Order: sequence, then structure tokens, then C-alpha cells
Amino acid sequence: KNEVEQSPQNLTAQEGEFITINCSYSVGISALHWLQQHPGGGIVSLFMLSSGKKKHGRLIATINIQEKHSSLHITASHPRDSAVYICAVSGNTPLVFGKGTRLSVIA
Amino acid sequence: NAGVTQTPKFRVLKTGQSMTLLCAQDMNHEYMYWYRQDPGMGLRLIHYSVGEGTTAKGEVPDGYNVSRLKKQNFLLGLESAAPSQTSVYFCAGGQGWTDTQYFGPGTRLTVL
Repeated sequence: KNEVEQSPQNLTAQEGEFITINCSYSVGISALHWLQQHPGGGIVSLFMLSSGKKKHGRLIATINIQEKHSSLHITASHPRDSAVYICAVSGNTPLVFGKGTRLSVIA
Repeated sequence: NAGVTQTPKFRVLKTGQSMTLLCAQDMNHEYMYWYRQDPGMGLRLIHYSVGEGTTAKGEVPDGYNVSRLKKQNFLLGLESAAPSQTSVYFCAGGQGWTDTQYFGPGTRLTVL
């Protein structure tokens, strides 16, 4: 079974800071997903990527297949970015999830 | 479109009671999933379905049963609830293992 590790577990940032959340996995995959869960529970998919880099607004996700590692970056962070960010990986099997990174952005 | 919906949103049960959680989707998803989320554990897969009439066990299936009689609905049953089943339950749907998953809003279940 794939093991998915995220770091850090918790992160507090000042508004405007550049944020990086890391995800590593143990076995080769077909795709890696980044999800966001705001306080109150809803889970939303941010990115799905299998190579390279994707950008959506202030969010950037990168993946290095050889190193089995992905990063989620948030530029110019804002209090509304406060949420839990979850990494998940898939092959020809159901998703395996990391435990999440809790981000708090302070104004 | 409603997307993925779950019924109920909250429920309190006594030990030994039974209940069914309903997941409904209008996005034509082939694959549907039931997860539970517990503090410090992340999301864990209970059961899943890769099409109408099919179901399979996930990582933590004990104490749960599922049915997918219609493509748009995926039911999760607890036959005899236990306090260890206190959790937040999420349903999700998608088109395949590597496809984006669309999550329902969750059901918070407390078993006393």
C-alpha cells in the first residue's frame, strides 16, 4: 500500500507570505491530487496532476515523479486560505490520502 | 445540478441501533466511494463501487454494508452501531481511479 506523508502537519503564516506544503509517497502512481477542506467540512479538489506543474490563481502544484514528491505553493497568502490541505495519490486503485496540513493565515 | 448530496447531515444513534446514509449524485459518476474522517487519521475508504450493481470493500469495511442498486445512489448501512463508528462520513464520486473526485458535504454521526 502506498504511504503518503505530508509536511508540515500545522502551519501558521502571516497574510502575504509565500507558503509551501509538501507531500511524499512511497510507490509509483498515476496521479496525485491536492484537496482543500475548510472549517465546517466541505472537501474540494484543487488539482490533479501526473507530471510537471499546474497553476490556478495563487495556487501552484508541482510534482517530481522520480523523487516521489509534490509541493503545493500559495503565493500572497490570505486569511481565506486557512484550511486543511490534503494530498492523495492514485494508481489503478482507490485514492490513498495523507493526514493533511492545517494552515492558518493571520491578518 | 445538485452535484453530490448526502442525507442526513447530522445523526445521533444509540449503541446497537441501525441506520442508512444516502449518497445521491447527478453527475453521471461511474465510481462512488464512502469515506470516514477521524481526527489525526485522514480520510479512510470504507467501501466503493465501480458501477451500478457493484460494490467492494475498502480499507475499513467492518461494521458497514453498502448497496448501489441505481447508478445515482450509493447507500451506506450500519446494522448495529458502535461508539467506534462515531465519525464524519463523506461520499464522493468520479469517473475512475485517477479522475477528480467530487465530495458530498458530509454526515456527522455520533454513536452514544
